[in-house]
Amino acid sequence: DAVMTQSPLFLPVTPGEPASISCRSTESLLHRNGNNYLDWYLQKPGQSPQLLIYLGSNRASGVPDRFSGSGSGTDFTLKISRVEAEDVGVYYCMEALETPYSFGQGTKLEIK
Amino acid sequence: EVQLVQSGPEVKKPGESLKISCKGSGYSFTSYWIAWVRQMPGKGLEWMGIIYPGVSDTRYSPSFQGQVTISADKSVTTAYLQWRSLKASDSAIYYCARWVGGTSSGSDYWGQGTLVTVSS
Repeated sequence: DAVMTQSPLFLPVTPGEPASISCRSTESLLHRNGNNYLDWYLQKPGQSPQLLIYLGSNRASGVPDRFSGSGSGTDFTLKISRVEAEDVGVYYCMEALETPYSFGQGTKLEIK
Repeated sequence: EVQLVQSGPEVKKPGESLKISCKGSGYSFTSYWIAWVRQMPGKGLEWMGIIYPGVSDTRYSPSFQGQVTISADKSVTTAYLQWRSLKASDSAIYYCARWVGGTSSGSDYWGQGTLVTVSS
């Protein structure tokens, strides 16, 4: 089973500045269909998680274009081009190639 | 409008049984997987398992296999998470989420979470 490792675990960011979160899998998440089965979620304080990015680089419906996902195989990155106050929360990557799926430990983004 | 509405908070004693629910509406319930995710107090998300209500195909994380039972009743468009004998360590928020699956991916809709407290 794949193990997901995120870094950093804590990310203080100044509003308007960019931010980047790394997610590494112990197994390749590249399916033979060419898709990478890696999703990103944001859990805002006191809320249920919400889907940001699916299949490594596709923004979910309603997600601002300042969020982008990249990577392939075992290494993935979530980037926020300009952080806003509403982006605070915990970001999780999740592998979804084969069950059992698994989440990374989470990266807590805070505003400086 | 797609909605997943979970049952209310529960307070139980160790050794008691429990079944919580997740009712889906606004979409074809039998065409999407439903996943269950645990979040212990102050901790991260843990993937527990998933069910395809159309045929009740169920998969579990090894960490939860044998500890919980995931089921679904398509006649009432509801998925369930069940314990036979609760432990204090089962205290957590449990989320259900619709899983897209197939050639796509991602849980695009989530329930509001059910807080389970197990204490003597």
